[in-house]
Amino acid sequence: AQSVTQPDIHITVSEGASLELRCNYSYGATPYLFWYVQSPGQGLQLLLKYFSGDTLVQGIKGFEAEFKRSQSSFNLRKPSVHWSDAAEYFCAAAGGTSYGKLTFGQGTILTVHP
Amino acid sequence: DGGITQSPKYLFRKEGQNVTLSCEQNLNHDAMYWYRQDPGQGLRLIYYSQIVNDFQKGDIAEGYSVSREKKESFPLTVTSAQKNPTAFYLCASISGGNRNTEAFFGQGTRLTVV
Repeated sequence: AQSVTQPDIHITVSEGASLELRCNYSYGATPYLFWYVQSPGQGLQLLLKYFSGDTLVQGIKGFEAEFKRSQSSFNLRKPSVHWSDAAEYFCAAAGGTSYGKLTFGQGTILTVHP
Repeated sequence: DGGITQSPKYLFRKEGQNVTLSCEQNLNHDAMYWYRQDPGQGLRLIYYSQIVNDFQKGDIAEGYSVSREKKESFPLTVTSAQKNPTAFYLCASISGGNRNTEAFFGQGTRLTVV
């Protein structure tokens, strides 16, 4: 079955520190991959997406993600975290040949300490 | 401005009642989705529709029903058969099916059973 796993439920970092949020997927073929961010009580905002080509993808708000086929991973990174980055982050995947089902991971809550 | 509108933002339901959550998009997207969000469980797919007058069950369709009579609209009915309906519900629409695939989300409806 298709699935997306985010192993870390909650991550705490200090402001200015680097950040990496993990995401692993299980699909028959390479899916479309996404990272979304959600502030409390709000909808989801797209940070970045990967379809093919360059495995390092740049997104908004200084985020980037690297696709590693051998590890079935799509980890999100940011070199220096700001207090406003505190939110919940979701990794998602969709079938590579059609819309199909957009499947989400369980989410990672990011807390930023001053 | 193009986007997805969910209404109402807050909804209270009595035990045994059916309620309908509205989702409207003016993005001309073919595919629309309904997700349920509970703390620590990420987003779980309830139903999705890739074309007018057609829809498929997601992972947790029991106790829910949908219709897709118009491209712009994908209402979700939470029936009395849904035993634990209190949750945050998110509607999404997806463009593309290629490199431009991206999911856009509404701001959500918080449903509470009283």
